[in-house]
Amino acid sequence: DIQMTQSPSTLSASVGDRVTITCRASQNINYWLVWYQQKPGQAPNLLISKASILEDGVPSRFSGSGSGTEFTLTISSLQSDDFATYYCQQNYGYPYTFGQGTQLEIK
Amino acid sequence: QIQLVQSGAEVKRPGASVKVSCKASGYTFTSYDIDWVRQAPGQGLEWLGWMDPKSGNTGFAQAFQGRFTMTRDTSTSTAYLDLNSLTSGDTAVYFCARGRGSSAVLDSWGQGTLVTVSS
Repeated sequence: DIQMTQSPSTLSASVGDRVTITCRASQNINYWLVWYQQKPGQAPNLLISKASILEDGVPSRFSGSGSGTEFTLTISSLQSDDFATYYCQQNYGYPYTFGQGTQLEIK
Repeated sequence: QIQLVQSGAEVKRPGASVKVSCKASGYTFTSYDIDWVRQAPGQGLEWLGWMDPKSGNTGFAQAFQGRFTMTRDTSTSTAYLDLNSLTSGDTAVYFCARGRGSSAVLDSWGQGTLVTVSS
């Protein structure tokens, strides 16, 4: 199975900050990387597919980059609504594994 | 609008079975895969498998092959996940999600079904 490792596991930041979350794959997955946001008690919400393609309706302060084995999710200016847990998932090969998550907390 | 509505919470004894349903609306059920993902309490997301509702073909992560089954009823646009030989390790919220294309980009999710396995 392809292992996905996110860092950091927890990130404390303030409204207005620029933050970056990293996701590393244990093997080359090209650009087959998806990012989700999950708030407590809710289902995940799709943010970005193919490493960098923003979903309709997702604010432009979110962006994704990377290819191969290293990927990043960047939020350019944190808003209060962005404090949540973020997961990456590889959709290159079965099983479609997730990273362990990054919890973004208010500083 | 696209909706996936799941069945309610279940409490089961170890060794029992449970069937979770996921009713789709707002799109053509047979045009998109249904994937299942679970989340143990306080833990991360775990992908279980996928089903093509048109053909009924399924694929599971190896850890769940043989113990979990996915089926569907196209007349009611409902997908089902059968969980057998339950253990306490299966206690989790089970989500169904619509898979866009053939590569598990999960663009719409059900609300989740909590399955609790306890003696």
